[in-house]
Amino acid sequence: KAGVTQTPRYLIKTRGQQVTLSCSPISGHRSVSWYQQTPGQGLQFLFEYFSETQRNKGNFPGRFSGRQFSNSRSEMNVSTLELGDSALYLCASSSPIPGTPKQYFGPGTRLTVT
Amino acid sequence: TQLLEQSPQFLSIQEGENLTVYCNSSSVFSSLQWYRQEPGEGPVLLVTVVTGGEVKKLKRLTFQFGDARKDSSLHITAAQPGDTGLYLCAANTGNQFYFGTGTSLTVIP
Repeated sequence: KAGVTQTPRYLIKTRGQQVTLSCSPISGHRSVSWYQQTPGQGLQFLFEYFSETQRNKGNFPGRFSGRQFSNSRSEMNVSTLELGDSALYLCASSSPIPGTPKQYFGPGTRLTVT
Repeated sequence: TQLLEQSPQFLSIQEGENLTVYCNSSSVFSSLQWYRQEPGEGPVLLVTVVTGGEVKKLKRLTFQFGDARKDSSLHITAAQPGDTGLYLCAANTGNQFYFGTGTSLTVIP
């Protein structure tokens, strides 16, 4: 099976702009989670989508949003970009199995806000 | 305040040495996971520990879940340059995964 893919891999944006990142999960996986990784805060949970519905949400402002399509592909959007939004954005997909979910991460999108 | 604290934050050792990294919390978890992340890649799941006191081995890596299910350790025997990376512990609360602060390991040939 192909792994989780994320596009683009690198992105440079200016403060105030908006950005959309894309994630294609492993075939058959219906859950997609998004994370922000920074050197200071580490890996922080943004939100999780399952069957096109947001199932869980982390503690991020409303500028961060997402959606999931019927084929389980997901996008996240950040509006009115701030310098502090510079980070590695990771998505992870998992399949519904009993017990603790196994998450499979994509390589991430490196966003730089100038 | 981080739910999961990892120590040490940075570790640089010579090839062949042994090391232990720790993941601590004041909360009790039903399970805990360990991931390794290499530069330019996303984290890769190494192991999930479920039972208090459980020990799991993955080649030269030994993972232990504390008896009280609040902490975990990862021991690497005879470290190799290929072990270099960021080691992350993570706990699932039912609603989301919380990740630890991470231990950045460098193994010098």
